[in-house]
Amino acid sequence: ILNVEQSPQSLHVQEGDSTNFTCSFPSSNFYALHWYRWETAKSPEALFVMTLNGDEKKKGRISATLNTKEGYSYLYIKGSQPEDSATYLCARNTNAGKSTFGDGTTLTVKP
Amino acid sequence: NAGVTQTPKFRILKIGQSMTLQCTQDMNHNYMYWYRQDPGMGLKLIYYSVGAGITDKGEVPNGYNVSRSTTEDFPLRLELAAPSQTSVYFCASSPYKDSRNTIYFGEGSWLTVV
Repeated sequence: ILNVEQSPQSLHVQEGDSTNFTCSFPSSNFYALHWYRWETAKSPEALFVMTLNGDEKKKGRISATLNTKEGYSYLYIKGSQPEDSATYLCARNTNAGKSTFGDGTTLTVKP
Repeated sequence: NAGVTQTPKFRILKIGQSMTLQCTQDMNHNYMYWYRQDPGMGLKLIYYSVGAGITDKGEVPNGYNVSRSTTEDFPLRLELAAPSQTSVYFCASSPYKDSRNTIYFGEGSWLTVV
C-alpha cells in the first residue's frame, strides 16, 4: 500500500443495520490515524485519532480499531440512523504534521 | 467560537482572472493548510505552513501561491484561473502539539472557473 485507500467508495444501508468500512495505509513510518466525519455542505469534523497498534475508540454507536502492523483501520457503526449519512474520511499522519487523506466512504442510511 | 474562517463561500471566475481566498484562524494554531476537493475525490493538499513566514508545497501546488505573514492568516492566491481549478477549497489548521495533530477545517469555498 503506497497511499491511503478506503473501501467501499459508497455504501447504502437501511436504518438499524450495522455497517463497517476500511481504511488501508502504508504501515511504515506510521504516527497516527484519524477518522473524520464529513456531512454534505459542511466541513470535515474529527471523530477519532489513534496512535497505537490495537487501539480501539468509541463514541456512541461509532467505534474504530487500528492495526498498525498490517496497515488498516476499521470504522464500525452499530444500528445506523439517517443522521449517520455522511462521508467518512481517514487520514494517516506522518511526522512533521502532514496528513494524507483517503478518498472517503460515503454512507447513505435509508429510513 | 469562530475557529477557521474562509471567504468567499462561492465565487465564479473567468479563465485568466486572479483571486485570493482568504483564511484566518483564531485558535493560535501553528499549522495551516489549503486542500482542494474535486467531485468523487478526497482532499488533496495544495500548500501548508508550519508557522508564520514558512510555507511549503503539498501534492497539487501548481497554479497557486500562498503567504503566511501572521499566525492567524493564510491566504491562497490563484494567479491565472483555469477550468481545472474548479473545485471546493478548504482551509484548515492544527495545533501540532504532537504527531496526533487533529485538523480543524473551515466551511469551504466553492470556486467555478468558466
